[in-house]
Amino acid sequence: DIQMTQSPSSLSASVGDRVTITCQASQGIRNYLNWYQQKPGKAPKLLIYDASNLETGVPSRFSGSGSGTDFTFTISSLQPEDIATYYCQQYDSLPLTFGQGTRLETK
Amino acid sequence: QVQLQESGPGLVKPSETLSLACSVSGDSIRSYYWTWIRQPPGKGLEWIGFIYYSGTTNYNPSLKSRVTISVDTSKNQFSLNLSSVTAADTAVYYCARLQVAGYWSLDLWGRGTLAIVSS
Repeated sequence: DIQMTQSPSSLSASVGDRVTITCQASQGIRNYLNWYQQKPGKAPKLLIYDASNLETGVPSRFSGSGSGTDFTFTISSLQPEDIATYYCQQYDSLPLTFGQGTRLETK
Repeated sequence: QVQLQESGPGLVKPSETLSLACSVSGDSIRSYYWTWIRQPPGKGLEWIGFIYYSGTTNYNPSLKSRVTISVDTSKNQFSLNLSSVTAADTAVYYCARLQVAGYWSLDLWGRGTLAIVSS
């Protein structure tokens, strides 16, 4: 299985801050990576697919980049509604696997 | 508007089989692949497996010996059976749509249903 490692595991930031989360794959996965947002008590929501493509309806302050083994997820200006846990997920090979999650909190 | 809704018993006894169903509304189940994902309380996401309307399946090797996913096109729903459950199988179980057109993504999720394994 491909292991996905996110860092940090938790992050505290202020409204308006630029926030960056990284995701590293245990082997190369080309650009076959998605990012999800999960708010407490809710199902995950797809934000970015194929490493850098914004899902329809997702605000442009969210972005993603990377290829191979190293990927980055960025919120350009943190909004209160962005408080959630974020997961990366690879689909280069089965089984589909997720990172352990990054919990984002406000300062 | 396509919606997914999980259903099934919230409490299952150890060693028994957990059975859940996911009803798809607003679209034909023949149009996509469909998956199950679970999340133990306070933990991360684990992919269980997927099915296509034709019956083609793929399961996570970590659960393969205990998992069966099936589809009922007449009801527009798919189901999960997980046998010989233990407390470690206590989790919120989500059904989701798997897009495989050029790229793969879990683009639509149900609300999830909590299944507790306890005597």
